[in-house]
Amino acid sequence: QVQLQESGPGLVKPSETLSLTCTVSGGSISSSSFYWGWIRQSPGKGLEWIGSIYYSGSTYYNPTVKSRVTISVDTSKNQFSLRLSSVSAADTAVYYCARMRVIDYNDYQWYFDLWGRGTLVTVSS
Amino acid sequence: DIVMTQTPLSSPVTLGQPASISCRSSQSLVDSEGNTYLSWLQQRPGQPPRVLIYKISNRFSGVPDRFSGSGAATDFTLKISRVEAEDVGVYYCMQATQFPVTFGQGTRLEIK
Repeated sequence: QVQLQESGPGLVKPSETLSLTCTVSGGSISSSSFYWGWIRQSPGKGLEWIGSIYYSGSTYYNPTVKSRVTISVDTSKNQFSLRLSSVSAADTAVYYCARMRVIDYNDYQWYFDLWGRGTLVTVSS
Repeated sequence: DIVMTQTPLSSPVTLGQPASISCRSSQSLVDSEGNTYLSWLQQRPGQPPRVLIYKISNRFSGVPDRFSGSGAATDFTLKISRVEAEDVGVYYCMQATQFPVTFGQGTRLEIK
């Protein structure tokens, strides 16, 4: 079955750029049925959507991070990536990649149906 | 942005008893086509979230039928008919009718 796996450094220095990759296995990232997204969860806190990307490269970003975030897709590697610049301690969180089901049998859906296990990124010097 | 407000934030429940969580949105979640993209997620301790319910009341594959969703426009409810030990965790509502996608604060379900 389809699985998502986040990878990247677990420690990033303040003011530097956080970079994470999500590898999709067991299925194609180029499916027209899905968007691919990043969601984070600060320690002991709730969920915050960062942004989502379609296989064509079309993106949606959360305005709270829009000036600092870039989400990209590499269909040849079946991966999508997150870059978050100028990080601070407030960006310390577990970062999840997730699949958003957009359409199913010509019926729009728009919900996250599959999640990676998450990766903790700590921003500290 | 659409603000999602859940009540209660904590819910102690006796095993075998029902539980109910409410979610209210700051504006209607009905889009121009008449669709409502409200889903419910469960996060068990130490695990990623998983979807339980999508589009208000559709149970996701493999989700036990003791979970049900209802509501319309700005008011939504997740009900568990008989709470089991494995239901312990945090429950979130989420809207995707309008970007940015937003989540409720979460409701912690615990056993009395």
